[in-house]
Amino acid sequence: QKEVEQNSGPLSVPEGAIASLNCTYSDRVSQSFFWYRQYSGKSPELIMSIYSNGDKEDGRFTAQLNKASQYVSLLIRDSQPSDSATYLCAVSGNQGGKLIFGQGTELSVKP
Amino acid sequence: KAGVTQTPRYLIKTRGQQVTLSCSPISGHRSVSWYQQTPGQGLQFLFEYFSETQRNKGNFPGRFSGRQFSNSRSEMNVSTLELGDSALYLCASSLAGDQPQHFGDGTRLSIL
Repeated sequence: QKEVEQNSGPLSVPEGAIASLNCTYSDRVSQSFFWYRQYSGKSPELIMSIYSNGDKEDGRFTAQLNKASQYVSLLIRDSQPSDSATYLCAVSGNQGGKLIFGQGTELSVKP
Repeated sequence: KAGVTQTPRYLIKTRGQQVTLSCSPISGHRSVSWYQQTPGQGLQFLFEYFSETQRNKGNFPGRFSGRQFSNSRSEMNVSTLELGDSALYLCASSLAGDQPQHFGDGTRLSIL
């Protein structure tokens, strides 16, 4: 079992729809959770960080964390073609500074 | 505020050579982490430095090494290069280990 698993993509949604990206992790002591966006040929860009159970909203993005289920998700509302990218889920345990990444989910937003 | 700066952006080497990559973190950030990204393996953690000390190390052979200087700048060295070392090498910095990490543009290393 991989330490961090994400939806196998690609995920295609129409412009204006909600895109839902999911991630599960295996290490119960994980404490910090991050979502990164990576455009083709570019480096990862931090979108959201979440540390406690519940929802965290930032503009069109909402991160959700459920530590009991070892599950973290990212919702993108009013999806735009510019949101088309690979979204990476990253988890950090008590070894601060070490991020474990999922394989990423490729999102395509169709005009 | 300047972001994470990695140099060089591109490198071409041959098998058996060694290479040194450089990373300047965001001002005030003391933690620097290094990652290798390949199409097959994705993003994999190499090591993390904090206050000139290696705190964490990933599952890479000893050919991969690093260090951090007193100004928090970090270098990564790969010796005896192999074809499989061709990858995008990313450096990320954060205020402390559990804080969000911000990535540089990476160094793309190609081994011929």
